[in-house]
Amino acid sequence: GESVGLHLPTLSVQEGDNSIINCAYSNSASDYFIWYKQESGKGPQFIIDIRSNMDKRQGQRVTVLLNKTVKHLSLQIAATQPGDSAVYFCAAVGWAGANSKLTFGKGITLSVRP
Amino acid sequence: DTGVSQDPRHKITKRGQNVTFRCDPISEHNRLYWYRQTLGQGPEFLTYFQNEAQLEKSRLLSDRFSAERPKGSFSTLEIQRTEQGDSAMYLCASSLFGSGGYEQYFGPGTRLTVT
Repeated sequence: GESVGLHLPTLSVQEGDNSIINCAYSNSASDYFIWYKQESGKGPQFIIDIRSNMDKRQGQRVTVLLNKTVKHLSLQIAATQPGDSAVYFCAAVGWAGANSKLTFGKGITLSVRP
Repeated sequence: DTGVSQDPRHKITKRGQNVTFRCDPISEHNRLYWYRQTLGQGPEFLTYFQNEAQLEKSRLLSDRFSAERPKGSFSTLEIQRTEQGDSAMYLCASSLFGSGGYEQYFGPGTRLTVT
């Protein structure tokens, strides 16, 4: 089955620096990936997604990179701000055209130092 | 607010009682998902609907759990004879399948505490 994991449980960065959060997945058939941000007491908030036919996608201050060869994806946050402090999850879908259920990793806590 | 809403936000119940949660998805979304999240973990898939049809249930969903989406709009998740292990955050998400995008949007969750 699918397993998705994040490499480190916590990440502390200085305000204004760039953050990189890494994630590995096990199912080579996974073809769709989403990054979510979850603040305390709230539901996960969609950040950015990427399909397996892409290796990079950019949003506002965020970039997701996908390396299918090593089954790894990363989320890069430019000029990290205090409001970016949260738990970040990567999630994978086995086949986006099927049930689309998401398999989540454990999450990494991003702390932004002022 | 046109996002996913869930009610109640918090529920405290005694072991053995039944509880029911409600989810209202984004109005044009045809798929609705239920997930469960325990402290420090990512959400785990429970079940999902396309319109009113329940298409898949996880092995995590014991016989004490039942979900409905009678008119293809809101959904309810009922837990019968609650156990302390049912304590978790129950999250609902919705998506518009068939539009070319597969992103799921989550509600704020219902936090269940079983005493």
